[in-house]
Amino acid sequence: GESVGLHLPTLSVQEGDNSIINCAYSNSASDYFIWYKQESGKGPQFIIDIRSNMDKRQGQRVTVLLNKTVKHLSLQIAATQPGDSAVYFCAENAGGTSYGKLTFGQGTILTVHP
Amino acid sequence: GAVVSQHPSRVICKSGTSVKIECRSLDFQATTMFWYRQFPKQSLMLMATSNEGSKATYEQGVEKDKFLINHASLTLSTLTVTSAHPEDSSFYICSASPRAANEQFFGPGTRLTVL
Repeated sequence: GESVGLHLPTLSVQEGDNSIINCAYSNSASDYFIWYKQESGKGPQFIIDIRSNMDKRQGQRVTVLLNKTVKHLSLQIAATQPGDSAVYFCAENAGGTSYGKLTFGQGTILTVHP
Repeated sequence: GAVVSQHPSRVICKSGTSVKIECRSLDFQATTMFWYRQFPKQSLMLMATSNEGSKATYEQGVEKDKFLINHASLTLSTLTVTSAHPEDSSFYICSASPRAANEQFFGPGTRLTVL
């Protein structure tokens, strides 16, 4: 659903710790999911994606987990660094592609303390 | 590769004036471009989908006569905020998808402030 007038959840971690950011999606027909990182005053930056026929996908220092049963998505960041501080959004697409319409989640502010 | 630019990055205008924001795909052709609006500490909300050579498709609640979108070429889409009011102040972000590619690339955003 849409995020209207809500304050973003926050997550504070120490440098070197692992971070887990969660996202609940609403459309059971969504079959493609993406995580984006947005730094202050900038556009979203692609991190990692996953299709609904998978439940886990790994990238460099990041892992995305998908639980379709409970419509839950998570992003794990290993050895979090100060440069990872940003707002993280999940996005879903019911058309199976990222060049179709994306619905963005609420977002989570990640702060990494040195 | 796959760079999307927006111009201007920041704009301040008086209430009642119109403002045009450009979105360009610099190194690829984009058959589809999307326009989003983001209020402070909120998520991105899709305003409209723009296909080259055809009329834009607006999301529910977005006034097409107020937010004019033109996608005249495969590398350029423009958003014109007409008769801007202070409540239109927001961060406007575009994205573009290359042909036959499975990814959407985002521009750096345009901060609009209406006084």
